[in-house]
Amino acid sequence: NAGVTQTPKFQVLKTGQSMTLQCAQDMNHEYMSWYRQDPGMGLRLIHYSVGAGITDQGEVPNGYNVSRSTTEDFPLRLLSAAPSQTSVYFCASSYSGQGHYGYTFGSGTRLTVV
Amino acid sequence: TQLLEQSPQFLSIQEGENLTVYCNSSSVFSSLQWYRQEPGEGPVLLVTVVTGGEVKKLKRLTFQFGDARKDSSLHITAAQPGDTGLYLCAGADMEYGNKLVFGAGTILRVKS
Repeated sequence: NAGVTQTPKFQVLKTGQSMTLQCAQDMNHEYMSWYRQDPGMGLRLIHYSVGAGITDQGEVPNGYNVSRSTTEDFPLRLLSAAPSQTSVYFCASSYSGQGHYGYTFGSGTRLTVV
Repeated sequence: TQLLEQSPQFLSIQEGENLTVYCNSSSVFSSLQWYRQEPGEGPVLLVTVVTGGEVKKLKRLTFQFGDARKDSSLHITAAQPGDTGLYLCAGADMEYGNKLVFGAGTILRVKS
């Protein structure tokens, strides 16, 4: 039971570089989302998707792009990395975006932008 | 999005002690969840409470949802070192399509 798989686990980028954080789930969940976690600020929603082909912005979307071509995959793209994007990124999936259903989180990607 | 405030931010106690963590908001949530996160891992769901006044027990953990569905508490009885971690509350924000809004978390350290 893989659940939610995130790659890579760690990444160091130079300012201005681009990269894609990968997220895959094998639970056939319709809802997928990306959060960033910063000390003292909790988890903040970046982008989310309620199904294949449908994405929307969360609380802090600037500097990030997403797409959802399949139910299983939800990659997060950093277009031009900035030091302010240094954070731990979590992908989460759920049966539905409605809060009554628990979220399953990946183990995170720790990103450092220098 | 609504703000969820957790208190205390940090708690260090001895094994065997009891503790309570609080989660408060000025707004009403349709449901509230508690997660536990260990270093280097993602949060793991502990419980979901839906009804105002609801109390759920999970072994030594007791979760309560306030009558007005604006606040919640997590009580741990006889804490053990294995309870150490970051505890996060998350509310389903009705004004945000019922998506989860997370508090900043309470770091719990239980010393043996």
